[in-house]
Amino acid sequence: GQQVMQIPQYQHVQEGEDFTTYCNSSTTLSNIQWYKQRPGGHPVFLIQLVKSGEVKKQKRLTFQFGEAKKNSSLHITATQTTDVGTYFCAGPGAGNNRKLIWGLGTSLAVNP
Amino acid sequence: EPEVTQTPSHQVTQMGQEVILRCVPISNHLYFYWYRQILGQKVEFLVSFYNNEISEKSEIFDDQFSVERPDGSNFTLKIRSTKLEDSAMYFCASSVGGFYSGNTIYFGEGSWLTVV
Repeated sequence: GQQVMQIPQYQHVQEGEDFTTYCNSSTTLSNIQWYKQRPGGHPVFLIQLVKSGEVKKQKRLTFQFGEAKKNSSLHITATQTTDVGTYFCAGPGAGNNRKLIWGLGTSLAVNP
Repeated sequence: EPEVTQTPSHQVTQMGQEVILRCVPISNHLYFYWYRQILGQKVEFLVSFYNNEISEKSEIFDDQFSVERPDGSNFTLKIRSTKLEDSAMYFCASSVGGFYSGNTIYFGEGSWLTVV
């Protein structure tokens, strides 16, 4: 079945270092969404990418959608302790716009 | 900012008991969802609901599960006879439209279900 994979599963960085998480889908996606979940919290929508090759920035966060619309990345420049959490990518299920298939997430820990 | 609210925040129940988790989606939203997240694992889709009917459900959403929109504001998830493996955080979510048109999906804070 359709799968969304994310790597790495965990990342531990020093505050100020950069961080990148990668997302790969087994199928072409119409769009991809990124969510952040703080420890003990609920997923919070960050962004949606729709176009092939799209790049979007939110302050220190840069999101990319691959040309083939099967992969995506989230890059955080100069991490801060407030960036701690798990970052999930998710894409619509094949042939359906009402089901999101989620990656396993990348848990980010930041040492002050 | 509008938010999805869920109750209870935590429920402990005995195996075999029925549980109802309640959600109040954002008022102008038309699509409603339930997801669950077993501790330390990824978020899993359970069901989506639109126009007063289920539009999609996963293989997890078997006959033990049902959803209802009993009035204009509440959206409930019922688990008829809970099993130990139903222990998880259950998230309700809602969106104005489907995912294809750039609609944001908003999640509630979750209901943590512990089955003992």
